[in-house]
Amino acid sequence: EAGVAQSPRYKIIEKRQSVAFWCNPISGHATLYWYQQILGQGPKLLIQFQNNGVVDDSQLPKDRFSAERLKGVDSTLKIQPAKLEDSAVYLCASSSSVQGPTYEQFFGPGTRLTVL
Amino acid sequence: DQQVKQNSPSLSVQEGRISILNCDYTNSMFDYFLWYKKYPAEGPTFLISISSIKDKNEDGRFTVFLNKSAKHLSLHIVPSQPGDSAVYFCAVRYGNKLVFGAGTILRVKS
Repeated sequence: EAGVAQSPRYKIIEKRQSVAFWCNPISGHATLYWYQQILGQGPKLLIQFQNNGVVDDSQLPKDRFSAERLKGVDSTLKIQPAKLEDSAVYLCASSSSVQGPTYEQFFGPGTRLTVL
Repeated sequence: DQQVKQNSPSLSVQEGRISILNCDYTNSMFDYFLWYKKYPAEGPTFLISISSIKDKNEDGRFTVFLNKSAKHLSLHIVPSQPGDSAVYFCAVRYGNKLVFGAGTILRVKS
C-alpha cells in the first residue's frame, strides 16, 4: 500500500513570495490533515478535511494560508505572501476515519520550507 | 497554552537498558493518548496508543502507562536498541484532532 505522498520535499523562497504544497493521501482515506511543524515544536494542525469538506481550520492563518481538497482526494496548501515565521516543515497526514479505533494518522515525509 | 508537555528535550540511553519518555497533559477530558516516532527527513509514524479507560498497554518492547490522577503518560522501551534513536512525540485526542507535544530526542548508544 502506497503511503502519503508530498511534493516538493524542499522549497526555498523569499519573503512575500507565494508557495504551494501538494499532498496525495493513502487511497480510500477520507480524512486529510495539514500540519505545520516549526523547529523544536510538535506538529500543529492547520486544517482538517473530511472528504472535500473542511472539518477544522481554526488554526489556519486565513489571511495568508489557503487549502483545498477538490474531489476529496489530493490537496494543496498555499501560502501567499510568505513571512519569515512560516519557515517550517509542512506535514500532510490521512486517516481512514475520524473515529477509528486507534485514531491512527499516517503522515507523509513533509515539505521543508525556508523563507529568506 | 500548552496542553501537552514533554519536558525532556532529549534522553540518552545505553543499548539494552530501559528508555522512559514522559508526557504531561492538562485536560482530564482527553480520552485517547498516542505516541509517534519520527526519524529525520521522514514523517511521524504511529507507535502505540492507550485509551483513558486503561492504565497500561503493551506491544512488544513498547509499553505505555497512563496515570490519570497525575495527568501523566509515559513510554517505556525495553530493551532499547540503536534503531530506536528518533524523536518521540506524545499526542492526545481533543475532539476530532490530535494535539502533539514538542517531542523528546532519544539517543540509544551502542
